[in-house]
Amino acid sequence: DVKVTQSSRYLVKRTGEKVFLECVQDMDHENMFWYRQDPGLGLRLIYFSYDVKMKEKGDIPEGYSVSREKKERFSLILESASTNQTSMYLCASSIYDGTGKNYGYTFGSGTRLTVV
Amino acid sequence: KNQVEQSPQSLIILEGKNCTLQCNYTVSPFSNLRWYKQDTGRGPVSLTIMTFSENTKSNGRYTATLDADTKQSSLHITASQLSDSASYICVVSAGGGFKTIFGAGTRLFVKA
Repeated sequence: DVKVTQSSRYLVKRTGEKVFLECVQDMDHENMFWYRQDPGLGLRLIYFSYDVKMKEKGDIPEGYSVSREKKERFSLILESASTNQTSMYLCASSIYDGTGKNYGYTFGSGTRLTVV
Repeated sequence: KNQVEQSPQSLIILEGKNCTLQCNYTVSPFSNLRWYKQDTGRGPVSLTIMTFSENTKSNGRYTATLDADTKQSSLHITASQLSDSASYICVVSAGGGFKTIFGAGTRLFVKA
């Protein structure tokens, strides 16, 4: 089974801190994604990557950056954490089938980040 | 505008009963529709995936239907169990590219 592992389940950070959320997948998937999930809003795409060192902005990239130096690892960076970034963060990966279509995301267990 | 709307927002049923969750979408061009189950504090787990040509797919006690003409999908849960208590998320992908729209989810509570 594909496994997507997020480094922390719960995280509490102070306003202004630089925060790193790590995600590792073990099935050689090309595509990796970072979402945040807030009550009533569903999942919103922050950034995604379709190859090593490649990244694309999602719907809400402001205040975030990402890094993909290795195929299996996709990091989300909050340059200067703010209270409105308190949320559940979900990492996902998927296979690239050559047509640009998305099938079968596999999600990590999530990181609940609280910024105080 | 690409949208995915789910109803009801939340649902309480008794253990052993059946229920149906609804998903309406306006995503175009349609590529595929997926249902996920998300337990509290966990990441979503895939239940079913359907493409344009499929109108029903089952996974154990979960049966998803798709009407591509009316742009509606439903997830039917048979003989509910306490472990079915979770959020159920409908996800629609547009053809080509990486455009994927998530519904806000239906929160299901199964009572003993």
